[in-house]
Amino acid sequence: AQKVTQAQTEISVVEKEDVTLDCVYETRDTTYYLFWYKQPPSGELVFLIRRNSFDEQNEISGRYSWNFQKSTSSFNFTITASQVVDSAVYFCALSEAGGNTPLVFGKGTRLSVIA
Amino acid sequence: DSGVTQTPKHLITATGQRVTLRCSPRSGDLSVYWYQQSLDQGLQFLIQYYNGEERAKGNILERFSAQQFPDLHSELNLSSLELGDSALYFCASSALYPGGDTIYFGEGSWLTVV
Repeated sequence: AQKVTQAQTEISVVEKEDVTLDCVYETRDTTYYLFWYKQPPSGELVFLIRRNSFDEQNEISGRYSWNFQKSTSSFNFTITASQVVDSAVYFCALSEAGGNTPLVFGKGTRLSVIA
Repeated sequence: DSGVTQTPKHLITATGQRVTLRCSPRSGDLSVYWYQQSLDQGLQFLIQYYNGEERAKGNILERFSAQQFPDLHSELNLSSLELGDSALYFCASSALYPGGDTIYFGEGSWLTVV
């Protein structure tokens, strides 16, 4: 069965610090997709990234970057020079069977960025 | 704005009552998903519809039911409500299946059962 673990329940950093959110997944499939979502205090779920299991290239989008390592079944998310607006709960999610199964989410990591 | 519309945004109702949550997917999306987010259970998948047909079922209670209509909007019906049903209910949509396309979430419907 697929499983996503976000071991960090809460993280607090000072503005401008870099922070990495960990995500470890379990799956028996060779083709799967990984996602990250952001949930700000207002409650909506905002899509950040989708990555398939065959693409291990790291991705950078502005201050956000993602490190996908199949060898350790991890898909970590780094925010560089964090800002107060980054304060949110971040969820990692997995879809197996070539992406045919609904998303299974981790428990989320609550990030607080302090000014 | 994800393009997924959910109504109502907030709902307060009494135990034993029945409510209907409505979702309009993004234009062109055929798949609709319902998720429940509660403090103790996190984000739980309830059910998925694809082009009007049920495609996958998760941890959905028998008191809950859903459907997707020909115009692709979906409704989640929650009946015999209990205090524990208080949660944020999300609808999401994608063009095809989750991996083949990005899945976008609506803003959610906050349900409070008193």
